[in-house]
Amino acid sequence: NSKVIQTPRYLVKGQGQKAKMRCIPEKGHPVVFWYQQNKNNEFKFLINFQNQEVLQQIDMTEKRFSAECPSNSPCSLEIQSSEAGDSALYLCASSLSRANTEVFFGKGTRLTVV
Amino acid sequence: GDSVTQTEGLVTLTEGLPVMLNCTYQTIYSNPFLFWYVHYLNESPRLLLKSSTDNKRTEHQGFHATLHKSSSSFHLQKSSAQLSDSALYYCACNNAGAKLTFGGGTRLTVRP
Repeated sequence: NSKVIQTPRYLVKGQGQKAKMRCIPEKGHPVVFWYQQNKNNEFKFLINFQNQEVLQQIDMTEKRFSAECPSNSPCSLEIQSSEAGDSALYLCASSLSRANTEVFFGKGTRLTVV
Repeated sequence: GDSVTQTEGLVTLTEGLPVMLNCTYQTIYSNPFLFWYVHYLNESPRLLLKSSTDNKRTEHQGFHATLHKSSSSFHLQKSSAQLSDSALYYCACNNAGAKLTFGGGTRLTVRP
């Protein structure tokens, strides 16, 4: 069973509101990923970290999303101003190394923007 | 960047029939890692299979797949579908750049 913990499981926000979700990666995993699973069940990569440093991120993440993985605190993903199209399941995952190893997922935070 | 294609968005089978879910990939790297993840409702997606070795069959929990670099394919197969196999299946590709690139997913529904 995955030991990646995501909170909250469900989040409801109005348009324009901030939406923040948290992730505790599996112990000892320095690499953390955020993915968005949309209504078509597609996994969209948002951002990844190694320790506290951003490795890669997409444009959407750079503009409206902010994410961090501070030491000794949960990682977080925050949408500054929620839009209807942000409604999705946000999945956090962690792994032991940057490449070619198994990635372990949490159960996700389901965001609904009303 | 890398891309992964799963041609079937939805597969519906009768229990006991064989399963084949297609996956092809595109990458500039010569040694990609390919993965199959399974996602059951209200659970975490989890790894089902992985491989980086050309033409070698890998098996787990009754499923198997073989990476064929010549055709850039990593199709998922099972000889006999079970009701409990109903789930979303994702093929994914990873190189040295840390990001795992997923296909669009295939929803497998197994009926009695």
